[in-house]
Amino acid sequence: KQEVTQIPAALSVPEGENLVLNCSFTDSAIYNLQWFRQDPGKGLTSLLLIQSSQREQTSGRLNASLDKSSGRSTLYIAASQPGDSATYLCAVIRQGGSEKLVFGKGTKLTVNP
Amino acid sequence: NAGVMQNPRHLVRRRGQEARLRCSPMKGHSHVYWYRQLPEEGLKFMVYLQKENIIDESGMPKERFSAEFPKEGPSILRIQQVVRGDSAAYFCASSPNREPGELFFGEGSRLTVL
Repeated sequence: KQEVTQIPAALSVPEGENLVLNCSFTDSAIYNLQWFRQDPGKGLTSLLLIQSSQREQTSGRLNASLDKSSGRSTLYIAASQPGDSATYLCAVIRQGGSEKLVFGKGTKLTVNP
Repeated sequence: NAGVMQNPRHLVRRRGQEARLRCSPMKGHSHVYWYRQLPEEGLKFMVYLQKENIIDESGMPKERFSAEFPKEGPSILRIQQVVRGDSAAYFCASSPNREPGELFFGEGSRLTVL
C-alpha cells in the first residue's frame, strides 16, 4: 500500500530564504508525482508534475526533483515571499493504470516578512 | 475556460439529514474524482467516475455514500443520514481522459454536521 510522508509538517522562515520541502513514498512504482499548493479554505493548485521518467521540473522560483529509486521528491522554493505561505501537498499516482492520487498530509509553510 | 466548479461551497446539516455536493468538471473533461479531506488529515480518494460509469469506488464508505455522473449535468456526491464524522472538505477533480495525468481541482465543498 502506497504511503506518502511529508517532512516537516510545518515550517516557518524569514522572507528571502531558500527552502526545501521533502516528500517520501513507500512504493517506487509510480506513474507520476505532483506538487500542489493549498491556501486556507481553498482548493488545490497544481504547481509541478513530474513524470516517472523525469528527474526534475521547474516553474519560476520552484524546482521539484524526483528520485524514484529512493522514493523521494523535494520541492525547492527560491527567495521565498510572504505570498508563498500555504500548505504544500505532494501526491503520487501508482504505476499500472490506477488513476488515484495518494496524498501526503502536507507541509504548512509560513514566510514571515 | 472555467475551472472545476463545486457547489455549495459550504453546507451545514444536522445529524440524520442528507447532503448533496455537486461538481461540474472543466470544459472538455469527462472524468471526475472525489476526494475527502478530514481535519488535520491528508486528502483521501473516494471515487472515480466517467460519464454514466463508476470506474473505481474503492475509497467510498460502504454505507450512506453514493456518487453519480450522469450524461447531462454535474457529478453528485450524496451522503445520506449524515453523522458528525462526515464533517470534512470534499474536493472534486477532473481530467480530460483516463490517462493518468494532471488533475485539476475545484475549491471544495465544506460540510459541517451539527
